[in-house]
Amino acid sequence: NAGVTQTPKFRVLKTGQSMTLLCAQDMNHEYMYWYRQDPGMGLRLIHYSVGEGTTAKGEVPDGYNVSRLKKQNFLLGLESAAPSQTSVYFCASSRGQGEFFGPGTRLTVL
Amino acid sequence: QKEVEQDPGPLSVPEGAIVSLNCTYSNSAFQYFMWYRQYSRKGPELLMYTYSSGNKEDGRFTAQVDKSSKYISLFIRDSQPSDSATYLCAMRENRDDKIIFGKGTRLHILP
Repeated sequence: NAGVTQTPKFRVLKTGQSMTLLCAQDMNHEYMYWYRQDPGMGLRLIHYSVGEGTTAKGEVPDGYNVSRLKKQNFLLGLESAAPSQTSVYFCASSRGQGEFFGPGTRLTVL
Repeated sequence: QKEVEQDPGPLSVPEGAIVSLNCTYSNSAFQYFMWYRQYSRKGPELLMYTYSSGNKEDGRFTAQVDKSSKYISLFIRDSQPSDSATYLCAMRENRDDKIIFGKGTRLHILP
């Protein structure tokens, strides 16, 4: 099992550009999450999904959109990137007993 | 008052010592408690998962929950340099709820 994988691992964007981060899990988990981690701020939940076709807002959803068209995939989109979105993004999945995290995507917005 | 409080450290201890990491919380409805380990530039890794009060042991790691004091602990016995990482506590009210994370404690085990 690969567990939770994230694509890409690194990305540099210019302000105003768009991009999509892909998360995939092969553990048949119902729940999937997108977090961002910033120094001094800890892990903050952006959006999450409790099942295929469902999404919900987390703590810091503004500027992001998500889709869960397939159970194993959870996409995070930035429509118009801003420097404040420079961060490390983690995807996680769960069956309800603690979350399994991916390796992260380091995003820099210039 | 923040929902989950965790001392950021860094905490430095000699190899072989017993390490105690702690979190306090304010929401008495939390029932599920977790500890994660995060190495530098890696994703968090689930270490311990406990429900309600009591102790849970897994190898060198023991998780302890005291709901009456709203206090949870992680003990690491016979600490090793490979235990050097950031440790995050986390908790949730119900099994389907979002997890609330502490900000993490940086731990250094000195050889």
